[in-house]
Amino acid sequence: AQKVTQAQTEISVVEKEDVTLDCVYETRDTTYYLFWYKQPPSGELVFLIRRNSFDEQNEISGRYSWNFQKSTSSFNFTITASQVVDSAVYFCALSEYTNAGKSTFGDGTTLTVKP
Amino acid sequence: DAGVTQSPTHLIKTRGQQVTLRCSPISGHKSVSWYQQVLGQGPQFIFQYYEKEERGRGNFPDRFSARQFPNYSSELNVNALLLGDSALYLCASSSPGVTTDTQYFGPGTRLTVL
Repeated sequence: AQKVTQAQTEISVVEKEDVTLDCVYETRDTTYYLFWYKQPPSGELVFLIRRNSFDEQNEISGRYSWNFQKSTSSFNFTITASQVVDSAVYFCALSEYTNAGKSTFGDGTTLTVKP
Repeated sequence: DAGVTQSPTHLIKTRGQQVTLRCSPISGHKSVSWYQQVLGQGPQFIFQYYEKEERGRGNFPDRFSARQFPNYSSELNVNALLLGDSALYLCASSSPGVTTDTQYFGPGTRLTVL
């Protein structure tokens, strides 16, 4: 069975601080997908990134960066120079390879960025 | 292109009633998945339909059922509603079998059972 753990329930930072959201996963599959989604107060899950299990290159997109370490089963998400608009619930998810439609989600981390 | 759409946005029902939620996938996506998100938790997988066939089912009772139509839209039905069914129901569409497969979500239907 697959499992995703986001140990940080809530994080609060002041604007412009850097913040890292942790994600640890468990799976018996040798190939799989990992995802991060953002859920603003409106409720819609917004896709941020997908990572294939065989691609361990870290990725940067603007102020967002992701660190995937297969050896420790972790897929952490860092926001640099946080902004108030980054306030949301962030979810890490895991799925079978080439079937993102059956994903296992963590319970999310609520990020509050204060001005 | 339009994203995933869901209807209705909000719904209030009483215990014992039945409810039908609707979802239209992104154009070109043949898979629709349903998730239940209880307040304070992550989404829980309910069903996946692909090419009108059930491809996966989560740990939910038989009161939950779904179907997919020839145009790939989908309905989720919940019978004999319980207070614990109150949640945000999310629909997502995707393209299984391709290496670029990614799941995109609709805005959700917020169900309140009184």
